[in-house]
Amino acid sequence: SAVISQKPSRDICQRGTSLTIQCQVDSQVTMMFWYRQQPGQSLTLIATANQGSEATYESGFVIDKFPISRPNLTFSTLTVSNMSPEDSSIYLCSVDGGQSTDTQYFGPGTRLTVL
Amino acid sequence: AQSVAQPEDQVNVAEGNPLTVKCTYSVSGNPYLFWYVQYPNRGLQFLLKYITGDNLVKGSYGFEAEFNKSQTSFHLKKPSALVSDSALYFCAAMGGLGPGGSYIPTFGRGTSLIVHP
Repeated sequence: SAVISQKPSRDICQRGTSLTIQCQVDSQVTMMFWYRQQPGQSLTLIATANQGSEATYESGFVIDKFPISRPNLTFSTLTVSNMSPEDSSIYLCSVDGGQSTDTQYFGPGTRLTVL
Repeated sequence: AQSVAQPEDQVNVAEGNPLTVKCTYSVSGNPYLFWYVQYPNRGLQFLLKYITGDNLVKGSYGFEAEFNKSQTSFHLKKPSALVSDSALYFCAAMGGLGPGGSYIPTFGRGTSLIVHP
């Protein structure tokens, strides 16, 4: 399994500002995923991040709002830009175990509150 | 399109009693099915999965799940609940490989399990 850490674990931000969330994995992985978990709702995939290429965004999510970086095989960042209260959520980083395991592993999440 | 339904927002059970958390799915092809647990202020932890083979799958912490193809269900069960099992449980399903050969499941809304002493 992979061990994943996220920073910050939580933050309270003002409307109109941006926050960058970091995700660090203890092993090299091909695919990294960013999810949003809104209060009382399920996980929604924001985007898939490959090292060395542009992230692939799901319907309803755009790069201008959620820019993602993937500089190497163990690290990724997600920025939540120009935040509004509707962006208050838990943001989760995830990696897959590779084709040999078919299981996803999740970071502890970043709890974001936008005032 | 893939979909997962967890019909119960909350399940209440007394400690020591058996528990069931329900999940039904809709995917194309043979399903890959998963259960994850989320404890307060923690990320999701993998519990168990069904890919192929025996319909009854055993996982972590004494949990098991039964794959029922005709009912397209994958209910999570435990013979004797513990207070420490209280958490949010997510069912996930996928019907094939995502881009680049990775697995991108669809998650249910989650079911809050509350085990009373």
